[in-house]
Amino acid sequence: SYVLTQPPSVSVAPGQTARITCGGNNIGSKSVHWYQQKPGQAPVLVVYDDSDRPSGIPERFSGSNSGNTATLTISRVEAGDEADYYCQVWDSSSDHPYVVFGGGTKLTVL
Amino acid sequence: QVQLVESGGGLVKPGGSLRLSCAASGFTFSDYYMSWIRQAPGKGLEWVSYISSSGSTIYYADSVKGRFTISRDNAKNSLYLQMNSLRAEDTAVYYCARQAAANWFDPWGQGTLVTVSS
Repeated sequence: SYVLTQPPSVSVAPGQTARITCGGNNIGSKSVHWYQQKPGQAPVLVVYDDSDRPSGIPERFSGSNSGNTATLTISRVEAGDEADYYCQVWDSSSDHPYVVFGGGTKLTVL
Repeated sequence: QVQLVESGGGLVKPGGSLRLSCAASGFTFSDYYMSWIRQAPGKGLEWVSYISSSGSTIYYADSVKGRFTISRDNAKNSLYLQMNSLRAEDTAVYYCARQAAANWFDPWGQGTLVTVSS
């Protein structure tokens, strides 16, 4: 089955740029989606189809995807961005399509 | 606005059953695929099951196949998850989510907690 690998944690100072990676075999050939989850809340979609933003999501959130790594970039990080972030793909490589999530990355704002 | 509200969670003994419901509003429910996704305490997200807009196509994660059944009633704008033969490892918050065809999930409900314990 397809595996997505994320770093367990990323730390960044306010105002700096945070980059959260999501590794997978030839992930560049798939569409990657990213979710933000704050404590006690449901996940919220922040980037879909590698680099598109849903309405209401700040332009500070952006995404890229190439080769074996997808990246969520958060510019000008704010305290309110502290959360867990998950990447997700739809793996249709077999006759049984599967939704795959990465293990999640905890973003800490120093 | 688009809203999903889960219900039906609770405490159940190992081997028991539970039926979760998800009430949808603010969009044309019958146009969308829907999924159940769960999160064990302190753990990451795990996709459980998916159902197409008409209900004709259904997939399950291997961890629940044969024990869980997803269904929907488009007339009632509702999604369901029948969970049988529950195990301790099924303990989790269960979210329903609207799914863009074979792609992303948006929005998610607030979740309902299922605890399997004797």
